[in-house]
Amino acid sequence: NAGVTQTPKFRILKIGQSMTLQCTQDMNHNYMYWYRQDPGMGLKLIYYSVGAGITDKGEVPNGYNVSRSTTEDFPLRLELAAPSQTSVYFCASSSARGRGETQYFGPGTRLLVL
Amino acid sequence: DQQVKQNSPSLSVQEGRISILNCDYTNSMFDYFLWYKKYPAEGPTFLISISSIKDKNEDGRFTVFLNKSAKHLSLHIVPSQPGDSAVYFCAARGDGNQGGKLIFGQGTELSVKP
Repeated sequence: NAGVTQTPKFRILKIGQSMTLQCTQDMNHNYMYWYRQDPGMGLKLIYYSVGAGITDKGEVPNGYNVSRSTTEDFPLRLELAAPSQTSVYFCASSSARGRGETQYFGPGTRLLVL
Repeated sequence: DQQVKQNSPSLSVQEGRISILNCDYTNSMFDYFLWYKKYPAEGPTFLISISSIKDKNEDGRFTVFLNKSAKHLSLHIVPSQPGDSAVYFCAARGDGNQGGKLIFGQGTELSVKP
């Protein structure tokens, strides 16, 4: 199994441009998450979804949008890129079996906004 | 406000010795704790976890200790190996936390020297 895949691996954006970060999982997990990691900081939750058609804000949602039309896919949209969005973005998924269920992470997308 | 803190950004140990990584939290509602390991250019991978009803969980060379009264947990790696060199994140999950959201610490970079 591929697990959690993310594309692209790296992208440079100009201020004001938009883009979509793609995330797909093949584990039939109901829960999916988007995190960002800034240098020297932990991962901060941007948005999450508990199932297709259901999304909710995390700790740092401003400047981002998400959708969840299928179980497998959870794209993250940046509408007007800003330098503050320069970061590494990780997508993760987990099953809905219980509180102890671990999250599986993708390899990350490194985004640079200039 | 940082609810999960890893106050040591880095730790260096000799191969074969014990590595001790520490994590403090402020929210007494957290009831499940996890450690993730992250190599450069990869996503975090789950290492070990502990429920708040326990004070110790062991998995091979890795042991996590939880001191609820001190709101402190630690990860012990014995013996340390060069392949353990990575960034280690502790994470916490709260009781009634919908969506299984995790709160991460800032990470500790472990370097195991041969």
